[in-house]
Amino acid sequence: SYELTQPLSVSVALGQTARITCGGIIIGSEIVHWYQQKTGQAPVLVIYADRHRPSGIPERFSGSKSGNTATLTIFRAQAGDEADYYCHVWDNDTAVFGSGTKVTVL
Amino acid sequence: EVQLLESGGGFLQPGGSLRLSCEASGFTFSNYAMSWVRQAPGKGLEWVSGISGSGLSTYYADSVRGRFTISRDTSKNTLYLQMNSLGAEDTAVYYCAKDYSSSAVGGSFDLWGRGTLLTVSS
Repeated sequence: SYELTQPLSVSVALGQTARITCGGIIIGSEIVHWYQQKTGQAPVLVIYADRHRPSGIPERFSGSKSGNTATLTIFRAQAGDEADYYCHVWDNDTAVFGSGTKVTVL
Repeated sequence: EVQLLESGGGFLQPGGSLRLSCEASGFTFSNYAMSWVRQAPGKGLEWVSGISGSGLSTYYADSVRGRFTISRDTSKNTLYLQMNSLGAEDTAVYYCAKDYSSSAVGGSFDLWGRGTLLTVSS
């Protein structure tokens, strides 16, 4: 099955910028979504359709895509942004999630 | 309030069967595709199955095809997952999730339930 590659972990200083990548050969031709999952909680959609923020998601969260890599950027990182982040695409009527990235705010 | 509430998880022995339910409220259930997504302890998210708003189209991950059946009852605003021939590899928290904007599967998941835990062990 198709795989999406994410870094296992990303560390960011409080107030700085975190970038989480999601790589895969079909990223360039598929729509990418991103979810935040805090410990013990259900996932929350933070970016849909590559770069759009759902209502209620801070402008500090931004999505982009270039070639075969999608990127979730968290500007001015806050302690409350510590979580696991997953990218997601659809491939032939099958949803595929990335392996997940643990973001630590120092 | 817009929400999803899963139920039906529990502890089963290998080879057993179980049906999960997900009750939806606060939105027009039949207008949206729905999916089940699971998460094994300490692991990442794995999509299990999806169903269109009408219920006529269903989709499965290779890991569960032939063992799991997804369905929905619009009159009860409820999504189901019938799981048969369960194995230890099916141990996970099972979430139901709503498609963001379409009755066809293929979009983002904008609403998730809290999940229900299934443990399969001898």
